Amino acid sequence: SQTIHQWPATLVQPVGSPLSLECTVEGTSNPNLYWYRQAAGRGLQLLFYSVGIGQISSEVPQNLSASRPQDRQFILSSKKLLLSDSGFYLCAWSVAGGDVSGYTFGSGTRLTVV
Amino acid sequence: GESVGLHLPTLSVQEGDNSIINCAYSNSASDYFIWYKQESGKGPQFIIDIRSNMDKRQGQRVTVLLNKTVKHLSLQIAATQPGDSAVYFCAENSGGSYIPTFGRGTSLIVHP
Repeated sequence: SQTIHQWPATLVQPVGSPLSLECTVEGTSNPNLYWYRQAAGRGLQLLFYSVGIGQISSEVPQNLSASRPQDRQFILSSKKLLLSDSGFYLCAWSVAGGDVSGYTFGSGTRLTVV
Repeated sequence: GESVGLHLPTLSVQEGDNSIINCAYSNSASDYFIWYKQESGKGPQFIIDIRSNMDKRQGQRVTVLLNKTVKHLSLQIAATQPGDSAVYFCAENSGGSYIPTFGRGTSLIVHP
């Protein structure tokens, strides 16, 4: 069966420090991968998605970037964190193509920028 | 589309009551719908889905109703329990798109 892993679960980082959040999927090949941010008590905001290695689409221009160095690995990064980057970050995956019936989220990373 | 900047509406119910969470969508081409449950501090979890060729689908204690005429989706939870307290999101997708559109979410609070 397929599983999705996100880490770390929680992170406290100072303003101006770099960020690297990692997401990996097991049990499938060539998944579509997604990064979302969720502010407290708010809905889901799509940040980036990827349909293949090295292919990144950005939905919201901001202080963050994403990379997909391997088929089942998706990384969310920042060179210098801002206070406004605090939030709950979620990775998700779905099968390749246009079928989102298996759209599955990871457990999330709670990022607090201080 | 996403309403990520708005506070979530809240539904409060008593334990044992039935809960109905509603979702409106705007894309008449949407043909697949999903309901997710998100508990505090966790990622959204799949509850139930329905395709546009159906108007009702039942799971364990949950039923999803789809009214394509008015573009309305609902999630019914029977005999609501305190463990059902969570934020519930609907999502819609049209064929060929690999990015579902999520609703704003509804916070369900179950009082014992």
